[in-house]
Amino acid sequence: DTGVSQNPRHKITKRGQNVTFRCDPISEHNRLYWYRQTLGQGPEFLTYFQNEAQLEKSRLLSDRFSAERPKGSFSTLEIQRTEQGDSAMYLCASSLDGRGDEKLFFGSGTQLSVL
Amino acid sequence: SQQGEEDPQALSIQEGENATMNCSYKTSINNLQWYRQNSGRGLVHLILIRSNEREKHSGRLRVTLDTSKKSSSLLITASRAADTASYFCATDVGDYKLSFGAGTTVTVRA
Repeated sequence: DTGVSQNPRHKITKRGQNVTFRCDPISEHNRLYWYRQTLGQGPEFLTYFQNEAQLEKSRLLSDRFSAERPKGSFSTLEIQRTEQGDSAMYLCASSLDGRGDEKLFFGSGTQLSVL
Repeated sequence: SQQGEEDPQALSIQEGENATMNCSYKTSINNLQWYRQNSGRGLVHLILIRSNEREKHSGRLRVTLDTSKKSSSLLITASRAADTASYFCATDVGDYKLSFGAGTTVTVRA
């Protein structure tokens, strides 16, 4: 199965620490998305990449958050100086840029708990 | 902010019954998609309906779209225990990202 892979599955950290998550999209997909989901809510868009270019960032993405996608392959999402409000499921998704009507393929997510 | 709102928030049905959930959205769309999420997992795409379509079927799923009312419905027929999950509608307004609603949690009782 060559679906979207996210690591780690779970991360527990203390407030103020930095954390980094990794996402490996489906290999031929050129678009990659990061979403955040809190309990009882739907995913909220954070940012997306077309190949290696980061094309849009949500206002939810404060300057403590940074995402990269070097060489248009895997992506990392780093959160600096974590806060308790950062606790959430971080979901990565990928898609193939076609002619519209794209569906997203999601990974299983990284559950972040900030103590 | 989230574009779509699902109704009801939660639904409990007996195995074999049909489950219907609704989604309302705010702005014009290119397409509307439904996703399923099992507890603690990622989302799985179920079905996509374009703005010029009114109804679509896929297996036990039936989706309708009413663009004049800015609403969609998802019907799951002959539900099974494995259908227990959260269901989300997502709208594509042509800006390369999907906006998700808060979801409907469906519990299918054996």
